Amino acid sequence: GENVEQHPSTLSVQEGDSAVIKCTYSDSASNYFPWYKQELGKRPQLIIDIRSNVGEKKDQRIAVTLNKTAKHFSLHITETQPEDSAVYFCAAHPQAGTALIFGKGTTLSVSS
Amino acid sequence: EAQVTQNPRYLITVTGKKLTVTCSQNMNHEYMSWYRQDPGLGLRQIYYSMNVEVTDKGDVPEGYKVSRKEKRNFPLILESPSPNQTSLYFCASSLRDRGIQYFGAGTRLSVL
Repeated sequence: GENVEQHPSTLSVQEGDSAVIKCTYSDSASNYFPWYKQELGKRPQLIIDIRSNVGEKKDQRIAVTLNKTAKHFSLHITETQPEDSAVYFCAAHPQAGTALIFGKGTTLSVSS
Repeated sequence: EAQVTQNPRYLITVTGKKLTVTCSQNMNHEYMSWYRQDPGLGLRQIYYSMNVEVTDKGDVPEGYKVSRKEKRNFPLILESPSPNQTSLYFCASSLRDRGIQYFGAGTRLSVL
């Protein structure tokens, strides 16, 4: 089955810096890759997603890139702000009708 | 207001005492799922349902049961809870498979 590895597990940056979180997946049939943000004590919320027919997607300060050949995808946050501090989860979804597999999460701390 | 509602939010129980965690969504979503979240392990899918009367095992289904008799409800049943099921549980729903998942507020379960 699908396996998702996420790195790093913790990431500390200064306000205004960029942050990059990387995930690799094992099942070449996976074609949907969402990213969720979970603030302390809150529920996960989708921040961006990408499908396998697209190489990059951007939404303001957040972007996701996908390399299908290498089976990895990355989250890029530019101009980080303290409110970006949270746990970020990547996920991969193989073919329809199968389970969504999450990475173990990255705790991002943005200090001002 | 569109939402996913889980009850109870907190539950302390003893080993072997059957319990049910309810989940209800008012968005007419087809896809519903249950996750458990444990420190260092991220979010792991327990069961999911593509539609009424259709359920499938996720990554960690052992010790859990689910049912989907109505589109809006997807209860999680622990027939004989054990301490290793102490965790934070989230229900989620999405319009379709591989769509944006909306999470409930979570249920923190302790099994003594």
